[in-house]
Amino acid sequence: NAGVTQTPKFQVLKTGQSMTLQCAQDMNHEYMSWYRQDPGMGLRLIHYSVGAGITDQGEVPNGYNVSRSTTEDFPLRLLSAAPSQTSVYFCASSYNPPRAGYTGELFFGEGSRLTVL
Amino acid sequence: AQKVTQAQTEISVVEKEDVTLDCVYETRDTTYYLFWYKQPPSGELVFLIRRNSFDEQNEISGRYSWNFQKSTSSFNFTITASQVVDSAVYFCALTTSGTYKYIFGTGTRLKVLA
Repeated sequence: NAGVTQTPKFQVLKTGQSMTLQCAQDMNHEYMSWYRQDPGMGLRLIHYSVGAGITDQGEVPNGYNVSRSTTEDFPLRLLSAAPSQTSVYFCASSYNPPRAGYTGELFFGEGSRLTVL
Repeated sequence: AQKVTQAQTEISVVEKEDVTLDCVYETRDTTYYLFWYKQPPSGELVFLIRRNSFDEQNEISGRYSWNFQKSTSSFNFTITASQVVDSAVYFCALTTSGTYKYIFGTGTRLKVLA
């Protein structure tokens, strides 16, 4: 039972380079999201999706793109990396999006540490 | 707007001491859900508990207990007889019905010294 899988676990980029962080879940979760974790800032929501074909912005979306073509996958794209995007990124999923009657806990991937030089 | 405040940045205790981690939340919604997560030094995020706004019962699970008080908008977490393995960063989180966003606090780093 893989759960939420993120790749790569570590990545070093130069300023201006692009890359994609991959996230896949095998739990048939409707809800998926991306967070970044920075010292003293906690976990901040970048983008989220409540189902295939539906995405929306979180607290810190600038510089990141997402898409959700399948239920399983939710990649995060950095189009032109900046040093301010150096962070640890977490993908998380839940069976249902938050709504009345049911709100499940988030299941997290192991994280991806990105350094932008 | 939703907000979660964890005012304690870092707490150090000696093993076997009790420790309480504070969480204060803000929301205008009447239906909301609160969570606690643990992040040990290895870095993964581990779910500990979920509480909804309609249930103010306190919960106890082994050495862990949670105190939910709507009157003070708080959802505090107490570890009784702390152990070195409890050393971690603990996050409180909030989501509300219909917003589709889980908002996290900045976390409290707990150090339990042997």
